[in-house]
Amino acid sequence: GAVVSQHPSRVICKSGTSVKIECRSLDFQATTMFWYRQFPKQSLMLMATSNEGSKATYEQGVEKDKFLINHASLTLSTLTVTSAHPEDSSFYICSASSGLQNTEAFFGQGTRLTVV
Amino acid sequence: AQTVTQSQPEMSVQEAETVTLSCTYDTSESDYYLFWYKQPPSRQMILVIRQEAYKQQNATENRFSVNFQKAAKSFSLKISDSQLGDAAMYFCAYRSAEIQGAQKLVFGQGTRLTINP
Repeated sequence: GAVVSQHPSRVICKSGTSVKIECRSLDFQATTMFWYRQFPKQSLMLMATSNEGSKATYEQGVEKDKFLINHASLTLSTLTVTSAHPEDSSFYICSASSGLQNTEAFFGQGTRLTVV
Repeated sequence: AQTVTQSQPEMSVQEAETVTLSCTYDTSESDYYLFWYKQPPSRQMILVIRQEAYKQQNATENRFSVNFQKAAKSFSLKISDSQLGDAAMYFCAYRSAEIQGAQKLVFGQGTRLTINP
């Protein structure tokens, strides 16, 4: 399958600072990328869908000013958690799709964010 | 909106035995995909198997097979000859296949599978 690389795998930041997470599709063009949040022992919760060159579509209840998503190229999407607080600590996962109907989405390795 | 339900938070099975994980879903769409994903302790999501709703034949991938009952909106996963490496969290997921449908995956709550040696 295709490879999606997510970086960093772990990050610790101070409360009030911002942190950026990158999601790259290494061997295909990802027209659509998805960002998920996963709390311990829970399922993946979709935060937003981003299409290359367009503004991201956020799920209900997700603060778009807090979780900034940029999808400026066909191989890179970034999630920036702004003014992070301890309650933002979580596991964040991206997935990427070529956008074709009959293809699956491929997942990054995830990023564990800890806000102290 | 589509929903996916996994009613078994935890399951366990003896090594080499067979186990079945349950999944039901709700949708008004006629064209869609269903998936089973595995999330081991590394937390990397791994696709186990996928089923296209228009196909009547149940998908199989080596020791993994599904029982897809479209009318009942049921999509169970059977793991045969369970191995220690099968221990993981398993998620059932739905995705629309309709032209105007959302590309996003809708996940169930997950089932934690333990393999007993």
